[in-house]
Amino acid sequence: DAGVTQSPTHLIKTRGQQVTLRCSPKSGHDTVSWYQQALGQGPQFIFQYYEEEERQRGNFPDRFSGHQFPNYSSELNVNALLLGDSALYLCASSPSIGPEAFFGQGTRLTVV
Amino acid sequence: GIQVEQSPPDLILQEGANSTLRCNFSDSVNNLQWFHQNPWGQLINLFYIPSGTKQNGRLSATTVATERYSLLYISSSQTTDSGVYFCPLITAGNKLTFGGGTRVLVKP
Repeated sequence: DAGVTQSPTHLIKTRGQQVTLRCSPKSGHDTVSWYQQALGQGPQFIFQYYEEEERQRGNFPDRFSGHQFPNYSSELNVNALLLGDSALYLCASSPSIGPEAFFGQGTRLTVV
Repeated sequence: GIQVEQSPPDLILQEGANSTLRCNFSDSVNNLQWFHQNPWGQLINLFYIPSGTKQNGRLSATTVATERYSLLYISSSQTTDSGVYFCPLITAGNKLTFGGGTRVLVKP
């Protein structure tokens, strides 16, 4: 079982650019959630995808968008990057029945 | 919104010592997990524990849902226990609400 995998692991972007982060869920999981973790803080919920639809959304601007594919993998897109978007982005997957979540290793995004 | 309060915020231990980490919740506890975030950022599952007590090696956890708190016990701590510990509450739709974490440093 490969677990949750994220790519890339590290990324440096310039302010104003756009970025796409990718996540493959754990085998048998169909729900994918994205979290942003700023330095020294706990992760904050961005949004969640189930059956290729955004099911829940946290308090993040529309610059943050996502997608889920038929194979349950997911992308997180951030437009018009700000310096404050620099953070560790974490992807979590869970089964549709049963709440236990499993996380990927994260993508560390630096905006300069 | 739901608040997750973790204490202590920072903990320094000598290798071999025991410790207790605590989480208090502002809302009713239906489901929660404990995670260890290693220095590379990976969140590692420790326990899924909506109620009762579970043990896994040197770690054990207890959740008292009626009193809205959970405890994580670390016995005979090792340097590999260093990192940040989180106890997110799982709410509707499997959304996790995190607190600020407890930063643990185990010194050799």
